Amino acid sequence: DTGVSQDPRHKITKRGQNVTFRCDPISEHNRLYWYRQTLGQGPEFLTYFQNEAQLEKSRLLSDRFSAERPKGSFSTLEIQRTEQGDSAMYLCASSHGGVAGPNSYFFGPGTRLTVL
Amino acid sequence: AQSVAQPEDQVNVAEGNPLTVKCTYSVSGNPYLFWYVQYPNRGLQFLLKYITGDNLVKGSYGFEAEFNKSQTSFHLKKPSALVSDSALYFCAVRAPGGGNKLTFGTGTQLKVEL
Repeated sequence: DTGVSQDPRHKITKRGQNVTFRCDPISEHNRLYWYRQTLGQGPEFLTYFQNEAQLEKSRLLSDRFSAERPKGSFSTLEIQRTEQGDSAMYLCASSHGGVAGPNSYFFGPGTRLTVL
Repeated sequence: AQSVAQPEDQVNVAEGNPLTVKCTYSVSGNPYLFWYVQYPNRGLQFLLKYITGDNLVKGSYGFEAEFNKSQTSFHLKKPSALVSDSALYFCAVRAPGGGNKLTFGTGTQLKVEL
């Protein structure tokens, strides 16, 4: 399967711990996005990379959150000092070109974070 | 700021009947509009989008949507529903000059029954 993959699929952690998620986009896609989805809500934009450059960040991305895409391929999203309010599904998406491209985004299956 | 409203949390329809999932948007200028579907424990799958051109857009799995600028709506439709269409549907919008960020609605759960 050559779709977007995310690891881990599930993460349970205690409040105050740090967690890191990984996203592997479709190989030829130069753009990568992170979204967060809480129960009963649609996905909310967090941040966006074009190649290795982080071009846009949401106000939702507090200073406890950091994302990287060091070689323009996979990306990591780290949350430091997790809080219960961080519990959500974290979705990664990739695209070749922008949203006007042929199929817009391809989403991964998500990483479900539970903070106890 | 751009926003999307999906006024129905759930839509129930009998298999074989037509279905409509409603979406209205608020944005300055001409929007890009999208529909995605989400199955349990899966990521979102792209169904269709409106960028410009014909107001009636055809997408995957027999779905279509009609862009109505005067009513600021982009309702999703299918002439004959299948039980396998049961899923969570999201409408999304990108404002002109809004980069590559999508703003999603809260989703509508579609339930197709025999």
